[in-house]
Amino acid sequence: DIVMTQSPDSLAVSLGERATINCKSSQSVLYSSNNKNYLAWYQHKPGQPPKLLFYWASTRESGVPDRFSGSGSGTDFTLTISSLQAEDVAVYYCQQYYSIPHTFGQGTKLEIK
Amino acid sequence: QVQLQESGPGLVKPSETLSLTCTVSGGSISGSYWSWTRQPPGKGLEWIGYISYSGSANYNPSLKSRLIISVDTSKNQFSLNLSSVTAADTAVYYCARDTYLAVWGKGTTVTVSS
Repeated sequence: DIVMTQSPDSLAVSLGERATINCKSSQSVLYSSNNKNYLAWYQHKPGQPPKLLFYWASTRESGVPDRFSGSGSGTDFTLTISSLQAEDVAVYYCQQYYSIPHTFGQGTKLEIK
Repeated sequence: QVQLQESGPGLVKPSETLSLTCTVSGGSISGSYWSWTRQPPGKGLEWIGYISYSGSANYNPSLKSRLIISVDTSKNQFSLNLSSVTAADTAVYYCARDTYLAVWGKGTTVTVSS
């Protein structure tokens, strides 16, 4: 199995400041034949289903604010929120869909400082 | 816009089979992959498996011996059957579309208890 490790486990950021969440995979999730990284990011708020933010590591899902960005390739990926808003408080997960099983990171809890 | 809705019993006895159905509305089940994911209480997300509209399935190896995912294109539904359940299978179960889980159902809570 590909192990996905997120850092940090929790993060407190002031409103308007930048938040950065890292995700590292135990092996590359870059498929050489199409040069795509099989990596997705989700936002999960209590009482709601998770919401897809990015797929192919950096393709923003429709409706996701542009203060969110996804980057990285191979084994190292980053989710950045450029200016934290109150509604961004949530748990964020990365997931690889390169190989079975499609494993998730352990989650990063983002709070307001 | 495609919407998904999980349905099934909220309480299952240990050793019995957990059966859930996901109904797809606002679009056809054909042409996509359909997934199941769960979240045990206080824990993170766990990928269960997915099935194509044509019926080809892939399962989490940790569940494979107990798991069957099936699709019924005539009803625009896909289903999960997990046998020999224990308390460790207590979770919120979500169905979703695509391998990168683009659209999610609201989730259904399943408790395994006698």
